[in-house]
Amino acid sequence: QITLKESGPTLVKPTQTLTLTCTFSGFSLSTYGVGVGWIRQPPGKALEWLALIYWNDDKRYSPSLRSRLTITKDTSKNQVVLTMTNMDPVDTATYYCAHLGSYWAPFDSWGQGTLVTVSS
Amino acid sequence: DIQMTQSPSTLSASVGDRVTITCRASQSISSWLAWYQQKPGKAPKVLIYKASSLESGVPSRFSGSGSGTEFTLTISSLQPDDFATYYCQQYKSYVWTFGQGTKVGIK
Repeated sequence: QITLKESGPTLVKPTQTLTLTCTFSGFSLSTYGVGVGWIRQPPGKALEWLALIYWNDDKRYSPSLRSRLTITKDTSKNQVVLTMTNMDPVDTATYYCAHLGSYWAPFDSWGQGTLVTVSS
Repeated sequence: DIQMTQSPSTLSASVGDRVTITCRASQSISSWLAWYQQKPGKAPKVLIYKASSLESGVPSRFSGSGSGTEFTLTISSLQPDDFATYYCQQYKSYVWTFGQGTKVGIK
């Protein structure tokens, strides 16, 4: 059974850097084709994909947020970390991490999400 | 980026109704499309992948069709548990994009 759980601060100030950790179980991020992605959802709005890291450390970023995002993995700890710099109130959202089982596959398992509020 | 446009944005339906949601891609994505269901306060759940393949455990009243740039999600007989928001998502490119969502409410 695949499980993922997001952790990190619930409140950050404008201009600060957000660091979120996704801790997962039930799969290995060293298996061919497997990936972990981050998706966010502002309150009442649609889903927005942010970043993804593959088993081989290949990293993909949303073009509109590329300059602010960094995604890394620690395979031994079963964790994926997302950092987002220069946070702004418009970045207030629920942040999800999700499992990608192979290339050209949907996000088939999701964490519960964590709400991050950006406010001074 | 490939843009995904869903219609309608909201719809009202009754239990037992047949419901169809449309998703259009700004360029061809072959069949690399998924549909998700999201309920308030919960994470999305995948219903359909590769445009028409039913995810394990999803009721057969859900079906998907289409290829290229036009896709549909159909619920053959709407059940009380189906009132939710539905999103399409393309995964052809390495920039994954979602539609804006369709909220299915009670008439």
